[in-house]
Amino acid sequence: RKEVEQDPGPFNVPEGATVAFNCTYSNSASQSFFWYRQDCRKEPKLLMSVYSSGNEDGRFTAQLNRASQYISLLIRDSKLSDSATYLCVVRTGNYQLIWGAGTKLIIKP
Amino acid sequence: SQTIHQWPATLVQPVGSPLSLECTVEGTSNPNLYWYRQAAGRGLQLLFYSVGIGQISSEVPQNLSASRPQDRQFILSSKKLLLSDSGFYLCAWTDDGQLPSIYGYTFGSGTRLTVV
Repeated sequence: RKEVEQDPGPFNVPEGATVAFNCTYSNSASQSFFWYRQDCRKEPKLLMSVYSSGNEDGRFTAQLNRASQYISLLIRDSKLSDSATYLCVVRTGNYQLIWGAGTKLIIKP
Repeated sequence: SQTIHQWPATLVQPVGSPLSLECTVEGTSNPNLYWYRQAAGRGLQLLFYSVGIGQISSEVPQNLSASRPQDRQFILSSKKLLLSDSGFYLCAWTDDGQLPSIYGYTFGSGTRLTVV
């Protein structure tokens, strides 16, 4: 089992819809969690950190479920510009950051 | 403001040839610097990180090496490239003093390397 797993997608979603995807992690001692966004052939950029109580940033909501060992990202009122690959990152110890392979999201007009 | 520069953007190299990728950071001092590789359909893999001039830590064994000759310069090298070295190479930096940052990385624009 991979340490961090994501559904590769693609998720094809109509503009304006709500979409959510999860990321599971295997190490129960994982400490910090992040979502990054990566546009095609570009570098990843930090989208948001994931806090234990869940957090929201505009149309984006991130949640952590420690019991089931997954984090989620929900995007409301999706825009064409949300099309990208979303990378899950898990910090497992003092210096280990494990990256998921990403979930590809395509927003269609 | 801080910026990170990485070049070249794309590179096609024959098997067995040498490699040198350069990354520089501006607008900060004593950054933590990282080299990552992203293979198609896979997560980012940390190759090297550096907390200071001449200090290099390797995360995975490979035929690559890294050097940090100056505070804000990080170089990834190989003496002889393999087909398996193809991928998207990303330089990144953080300045919060922790390895790796819990606040996330700032990445360079990447080098897409194809070994033929």
